[in-house]
Amino acid sequence: QKEVEQDPGPLSVPEGAIVSLNCTYSNSAFQYFMWYRQYSRKGPELLMYTYSSGNKEDGRFTAQVDKSSKYISLFIRDSQPSDSATYLCAMSAEIGGEYGNKLVFGAGTILRVKS
Amino acid sequence: NAGVTQTPKFRILKIGQSMTLQCAQDMNHNYMYWYRQDPGMGLKLIYYSVGAGITDKGEVPNGYNVSRSTTEDFPLRLELAAPSQTSVYFCASSYSDRRTGELFFGEGSRLTVL
Repeated sequence: QKEVEQDPGPLSVPEGAIVSLNCTYSNSAFQYFMWYRQYSRKGPELLMYTYSSGNKEDGRFTAQVDKSSKYISLFIRDSQPSDSATYLCAMSAEIGGEYGNKLVFGAGTILRVKS
Repeated sequence: NAGVTQTPKFRILKIGQSMTLQCAQDMNHNYMYWYRQDPGMGLKLIYYSVGAGITDKGEVPNGYNVSRSTTEDFPLRLELAAPSQTSVYFCASSYSDRRTGELFFGEGSRLTVL
């Protein structure tokens, strides 16, 4: 079993739809959760960061963490064609320092928003 | 600021050849990383460095070597290239203090080994 599971998609939705992207994980020590967005032929860029359980909202994006279920989600409201990208979840038990060596990434979900 | 710059963007190697992927960052980050990204597999850490002169292995280091002589540069060396090393390679860097967990990635180097 992979430590982080993410449906690879592709997920195709019409413009304006609400999108739900999800990851499940098995390591209960994870407490820092991130979503990276990766456009085609580009490197990933940080989209959202959350600590522990709860919701975090940033414009059209909402990140949700349910540690009891070991499940995280990214919701995109009023999706736009410019949201078409691969979305990778990432998580870690610690933050700061050289924690990047302990960051575990999901495989990424390809999202296509049709105009 | 250019951020993280990787060269070359594309390269085709024959089996057994060697090459170096270059990575430079201008953000004065102490921490730098090399990941590879394969379809359906996510990002896997190859090597990382916590500062000039200090490097350590990640999850998939076999077939690779790194050096860190300056804060800015973190080259990745592939020795005796094999088809299994066909992948997209990303260099990343991060701050040394406790922040948001952000890694800053380059645009990637696409390597094909035939």
